[in-house]
Amino acid sequence: GAGVSQSPRYKVAKRGQDVALRCDPISGHVSLFWYQQALGQGPEFLTYFQNEAQLDKSGLPSDRFFAERPEGSVSTLKIQRTQQEDSAVYLCASSPLGTANTGELFFGEGSRLTVL
Amino acid sequence: QKEVEQNSGPLSVPEGAIASLNCTYSDRGSQSFFWYRQYSGKSPELIMSIYSNGDKEDGRFTAQLNKASQYVSLLIRDSQPSDSATYLCAGVPHQAGTALIFGKGTTLSVSS
Repeated sequence: GAGVSQSPRYKVAKRGQDVALRCDPISGHVSLFWYQQALGQGPEFLTYFQNEAQLDKSGLPSDRFFAERPEGSVSTLKIQRTQQEDSAVYLCASSPLGTANTGELFFGEGSRLTVL
Repeated sequence: QKEVEQNSGPLSVPEGAIASLNCTYSDRGSQSFFWYRQYSGKSPELIMSIYSNGDKEDGRFTAQLNKASQYVSLLIRDSQPSDSATYLCAGVPHQAGTALIFGKGTTLSVSS
């Protein structure tokens, strides 16, 4: 597609439910990032993939968060046993460069998660 | 902890005025900085990048970098109501393999 596509755009989950958020990056982009953006805050880094390899997951807040990109294109961010503090917009970004050290990211519209 | 700091605002300016957005960073080794614009409910969009000390101009936008003072700024000339958005300052850390770090953003409101 022309841009980064994320789904679902909105997700409401009951506390304790598992959720899966999907990101389809720009075709051919090597790098894929997940960020979490709480209301009124800037994006906070979660994890980085170079093709299918997850090279940095230092930003994942707990072991309830898991991300994968098995074929080096589409990525899924999974949150198990959701908590209210997980409520945020989850942003996916991609870059044609094969390095995390880049500032030129193309963001998707985000998935807004609300945990009740 | 490498940080990028911004005043969250809101910054209010009248149409046609110059808006000045400021940012400081803690990682003295950072070499490149970026300004993203984020409209309410939308995704961040890259509008300016700056890699060396001094000014960089692109249309109505000027980015300024002062590495000695660890200070980055964005000037918007002839501000328009359509410039009303949150502006995110971001820096690439010096450490190899580390992703972009964002500030909290400054909300700009341009009144007509």
